[in-house]
Amino acid sequence: GQQLNQSPQSMFIQEGEDVSMNCTSSSIFNTWLWYKQDPGEGPVLLIALYKAGELTSNGRLTAQFGITRKDSFLNISASIPSDVGIYFCAGQSGGSQGNLIFGKGTKLSVKP
Amino acid sequence: GAVVSQHPSRVICKSGTSVKIECRSLDFQATTMFWYRQFPKQSLMLMATSNEGSKATYEQGVEKDKFLINHASLTLSTLTVTSAHPEDSSFYICSANIDYTEAFFGQGTRLTVV
Repeated sequence: GQQLNQSPQSMFIQEGEDVSMNCTSSSIFNTWLWYKQDPGEGPVLLIALYKAGELTSNGRLTAQFGITRKDSFLNISASIPSDVGIYFCAGQSGGSQGNLIFGKGTKLSVKP
Repeated sequence: GAVVSQHPSRVICKSGTSVKIECRSLDFQATTMFWYRQFPKQSLMLMATSNEGSKATYEQGVEKDKFLINHASLTLSTLTVTSAHPEDSSFYICSANIDYTEAFFGQGTRLTVV
């Protein structure tokens, strides 16, 4: 079945630093989504990407849909303490009623 | 973004009893709803896909008689954990899609079976 490799697994950074994480897939996706999950909460959608090569920003967040449609990255600029959480990438193949394949998550810790 | 409400957020039940979890899309009609299970420090695992008015599609390894899903309307899906046991303790999360694209998640339900 389809698998997503998300890296890094965890990151410890200083406040103000930029962060980059990425996901790669063994197969093509039609949509890439990036979510953030806080402890005890459901994931919150950060950015949705629909076209290969698409680069989309949401405040300090920027994500790109890889040209091969098998990868995506998420960048966070000038990190702040509230960026702490687990970030998940998710891919959607389109022919499956929209169900998502999730990466294993990147746990981000930010030192003030 | 669209709002998905999940209730209850936490529930503790005795072993052998059943628990119902509700998932509602508050400001949109969801084409499809999904139910996930998440173990500590792990990613979300899809349990089943739910369409209004039809039987849910369960992922391999998920017992359909244990995890009953009812999708009564375009805004409500319920997951009932029947005859719950301690190993069913977990974080259950629903999501709802708009037009098979973006998925919006509920707040999750922490189930503890004692």
